[in-house]
Amino acid sequence: AQSVTQPDIHITVSEGASLELRCNYSYGATPYLFWYVQSPGQGLQLLLKYFSGDTLVQGIKGFEAEFKRSQSSFNLRKPSVHWSDAAEYFCAVGGETYNQGGKFIFGQGTELSVKP
Amino acid sequence: ETGVTQSPTHLIKTRGQQVTLRCSSQSGHNTVSWYQQALGQGPQFIFQYYREEENGRGNFPPRFSGLQFPNYSSELNVNALELDDSALYLCASSLAGVAELTGELFFGEGSRLTVL
Repeated sequence: AQSVTQPDIHITVSEGASLELRCNYSYGATPYLFWYVQSPGQGLQLLLKYFSGDTLVQGIKGFEAEFKRSQSSFNLRKPSVHWSDAAEYFCAVGGETYNQGGKFIFGQGTELSVKP
Repeated sequence: ETGVTQSPTHLIKTRGQQVTLRCSSQSGHNTVSWYQQALGQGPQFIFQYYREEENGRGNFPPRFSGLQFPNYSSELNVNALELDDSALYLCASSLAGVAELTGELFFGEGSRLTVL
């Protein structure tokens, strides 16, 4: 069965420090992988996505993620965290309904806190 | 702003009651997906509608039902509410055939349902 695991429920980093959020997936074929961010009271916003090709993908707000097939991972990174990055981050894998899309499987999320 | 609007933003119901949540999709989008996000969890796929028909359902009982209207607005109906139905319900719109390739699921801010 398809699944997504985010091992870290909560991470705290200092402003200006680097960040890595972990994501592991279980999927039978080449996955479509995504990272979304959710700020309090907001819907989910797409940060970046991976479908094929270059395993290092760039996203919005200075985020990047690297797809490692051998480790079934898709970790999110940012070199220097800003206070405004404090939010909940979700990793997701594209689901079965490829003909129409929309069915994604999400991890349980990692809450990021940023210290001044 | 994603252009996806949901109503109501908050509501309180008692066990056994019925609830209807509404979603207005982004202009031009013909597919709508509904997700349930329990506290501290990632969103879980409920179902998706395309051309006014259900097109994929997650692991939710039949008391969760939906409608999609010709103008691509949508409703989520939940009958016989249970305490565990308390959650944030997210609507996401997309363009058929595109979502799985672009990750372009546009989420609303959600309707928070509390069941007492």
